[in-house]
Amino acid sequence: DSGVTQTPKHLITATGQRVTLRCSPRSGDLSVYWYQQSLDQGLQFLIQYYNGEERAKGNILERFSAQQFPDLHSELNLSSLELGDSALYFCASSEGEGAGEQFFGPGTRLTVL
Amino acid sequence: AQKVTQAQTEISVVEKEDVTLDCVYETRDTTYYLFWYKQPPSGELVFLIRRNSFDEQNEISGRYSWNFQKSTSSFNFTITASQVVDSAVYFCALSEATTDSWGKFQFGAGTQVVVTP
Repeated sequence: DSGVTQTPKHLITATGQRVTLRCSPRSGDLSVYWYQQSLDQGLQFLIQYYNGEERAKGNILERFSAQQFPDLHSELNLSSLELGDSALYFCASSEGEGAGEQFFGPGTRLTVL
Repeated sequence: AQKVTQAQTEISVVEKEDVTLDCVYETRDTTYYLFWYKQPPSGELVFLIRRNSFDEQNEISGRYSWNFQKSTSSFNFTITASQVVDSAVYFCALSEATTDSWGKFQFGAGTQVVVTP
């Protein structure tokens, strides 16, 4: 158990809908990262927050947004969902701003029908 | 362009055999970090090892060992005396200074390891 929690574990929704994925980092970790894992794209970095501020962005779609709250938990919002958004979404956390190992949560499996 | 290449898609071994996973990376930075992660069938990504670019000393940790060679941009990982529980997908990842954050890991495609009894 990495200490990173993610909810929900599974999510099934329809195209055009909006969903919110939630992540709680390990105690003491200030950085939260979001990754998408799909069969065709592999593991892709989406976005990083450090102590409430956006720190880095990857190839995150404009339909996707995230935020980190004062208690350091984070939410990833996915809107206008398309079939191709079906994937495993991971949250990870680390103590500092980067370079250190990231500890991953169990992931949220999103299925868009 | 792919920064981390794991050319082996799948490796199948019989229990107790050694398994070596190849990872070749590409960077122009002099300071960078390399990682290995394991993703068992349960799906969670598990951190295994981290090396920085200034430390080419190869180490052994239990049944795991790694061979870091800057001259060939390789960071290979070996499981000695494999066990069925080692069956998983193994990912190599790179963290560079030239990206806007050290935390922006770039993962390889992964190598599926299948260990049969």
